[in-house]
Amino acid sequence: GQNIDQPTEMTATEGAIVQINCTYQTSGFNGLFWYQQHAGEAPTFLSYNVLDGLEEKGRFSSFLSRSKGYSYLLLKELQMKDSASYLCAVRVVQTGANNLFFGTGTRLTVIP
Amino acid sequence: ETGVTQSPTHLIKTRGQQVTLRCSSQSGHNTVSWYQQALGQGPQFIFQYYREEENGRGNFPPRFSGLQFPNYSSELNVNALELDDSALYLCASRTMGANSPLHFGNGTRLTVT
Repeated sequence: GQNIDQPTEMTATEGAIVQINCTYQTSGFNGLFWYQQHAGEAPTFLSYNVLDGLEEKGRFSSFLSRSKGYSYLLLKELQMKDSASYLCAVRVVQTGANNLFFGTGTRLTVIP
Repeated sequence: ETGVTQSPTHLIKTRGQQVTLRCSSQSGHNTVSWYQQALGQGPQFIFQYYREEENGRGNFPPRFSGLQFPNYSSELNVNALELDDSALYLCASRTMGANSPLHFGNGTRLTVT
């Protein structure tokens, strides 16, 4: 099976930087995704990593270390609208198909 | 470009009944996945369909079944509903590439009483 761990909740201040960590244990690893989910809404895609290193996309960056089974999502210049759940998801190859498994999510609250 | 659409938005069923949820994939997407999301939890993978066949399944019992149609729309069927089946059911579609992200619909909120 897949084991994906993230902190349950985090709080950060508007304008600051926050790092959300994710660790995973799985076989057949084939990439890691981060999604954002506002309360009552569908998850939306933020970033994808399949090779080690940092991927930067505007205020959001995501890092992956496959040897350590570790990823983080970095949010810079936090805005109030960034208050949401952030979902770490691992793509796994099973019987030839790529399937995506999610962690429990980290609920981020941005305060003034 | 039309996104992923799901119906109905909300549904209330009684324990023991059967339910069918529907999903229309985003244009150009040939792979559809279904997820169950309990309140405060991450989405749990139910199964994935490609070319009208199930090609991946999570840890869900056989009373959870699905279909994918030639136009890539999909159904999730749940038999013998249990109270614990109350959740948000999310449909997501993508192209077949390994790096292609899932695009989610807004979900169906199922309540089992």
